[in-house]
Amino acid sequence: DQQVKQNSPSLSVQEGRISILNCDYTNSMFDYFLWYKKYPAEGPTFLISISSIKDKNEDGRFTVFLNKSAKHLSLHIVPSQPGDSAVYFCAARFGNQFYFGTGTSLTVIP
Amino acid sequence: DVKVTQSSRYLVKRTGEKVFLECVQDMDHENMFWYRQDPGLGLRLIYFSYDVKMKEKGDIPEGYSVSREKKERFSLILESASTNQTSMYLCASSTRDRDFKNIQYFGAGTRLSVL
Repeated sequence: DQQVKQNSPSLSVQEGRISILNCDYTNSMFDYFLWYKKYPAEGPTFLISISSIKDKNEDGRFTVFLNKSAKHLSLHIVPSQPGDSAVYFCAARFGNQFYFGTGTSLTVIP
Repeated sequence: DVKVTQSSRYLVKRTGEKVFLECVQDMDHENMFWYRQDPGLGLRLIYFSYDVKMKEKGDIPEGYSVSREKKERFSLILESASTNQTSMYLCASSTRDRDFKNIQYFGAGTRLSVL
């Protein structure tokens, strides 16, 4: 049973516009959330994270929002750039384990 | 610069073969993980280890075993490979310090095909 879900398998956005990637989870015990970015033929790389005690974390063009009541996480990329085209995974931590979503493939169109 | 190295990028094996996937990290991390990535299923945890000679089952351990004899090395073993184990396998490591971000660092992956 998938505890972390990314319901949009793909997303296309024009360069310069905002990309919003969404993630839903079911386990209220998750205490830490992360976003990873994956290019083809490479392993995922860490992008940004947020603790469950916060509702927003910002790092340059990337902002992660956490809505605990809705069990919803989102990643905003502003402005989007062609180099952002990749698969994005959200992940949530419980204990020593991380639970990953199925990924959203983002294409930024020049 | 942090580094997680998986011994093979591509591997082709036959049904019934015993397969070893090796992973080495140079960051002195306590935790190491093995995932498989399949289309539409994301990353699923097979096994993880939080110390030398320690291991814990993840979500899909059936058909796999692991070995962690040294802190830097974590091996995934397919005892008798089957076609449904054809997948991308990803190794990761992280520090145990929970006050830290607990970021996982991933290797580039091994694409295994079982014929």
